[in-house]
Amino acid sequence: GENVEQHPSTLSVQEGDSAVIKCTYSDSASNYFPWYKQELGKRPQLIIDIRSNVGEKKDQRIAVTLNKTAKHFSLHITETQPEDSAVYFCAARARADSYGKLTFGQGTILTVHP
Amino acid sequence: GAVVSQHPSWVICKSGTSVKIECRSLDFQATTMFWYRQFPKQSLMLMATSNEGSKATYEQGVEKDKFLINHASLTLSTLTVTSAHPEDSSFYICSARDQGQPQHFGDGTRLSIL
Repeated sequence: GENVEQHPSTLSVQEGDSAVIKCTYSDSASNYFPWYKQELGKRPQLIIDIRSNVGEKKDQRIAVTLNKTAKHFSLHITETQPEDSAVYFCAARARADSYGKLTFGQGTILTVHP
Repeated sequence: GAVVSQHPSWVICKSGTSVKIECRSLDFQATTMFWYRQFPKQSLMLMATSNEGSKATYEQGVEKDKFLINHASLTLSTLTVTSAHPEDSSFYICSARDQGQPQHFGDGTRLSIL
């Protein structure tokens, strides 16, 4: 089955700096890669996603890049703000899974210091 | 759009009690719903996948007789933790998706078994 590795496990940055979180996946047939943000005690919220036919996607301060050859994808947050502090999870979905089952990474605790 | 409601948000009960958790998609039809368990500072662990009108598919190591899942309609799935014990205490989160759409999560249920 699919295995997703996420790094780093914790990330601390100063407000205004950029933050990058990286994930690798094992199943070359995976075709959908969402990123979720989870604040303490709350639901994971989809912040951006990318499909395998696209190499990069951007939404304001957030961008995701995908390298299918290397089987890794990354989340980039620019001009970080304290409210960006949360746990971020990457995930991958295998093309063959018609039910859309996701395999999640271990999560990254991002702390943005004012 | 894509709102998922989960109830209750917090349950405290005695050992041996059965607890039912509801997951509803409020503004879309959820062809598939997922149930996750999340331990503190850890990732989302998929327990089972349920499709409306059919039996749930459980992940390896998850006891189907312990965690009963019913997906009676396109907007409602329930998870019943039967004869709960302290080791079942955890944060349980559901998610729902329509065909071809991303997963959207409920607010989660914090279950504490005394």
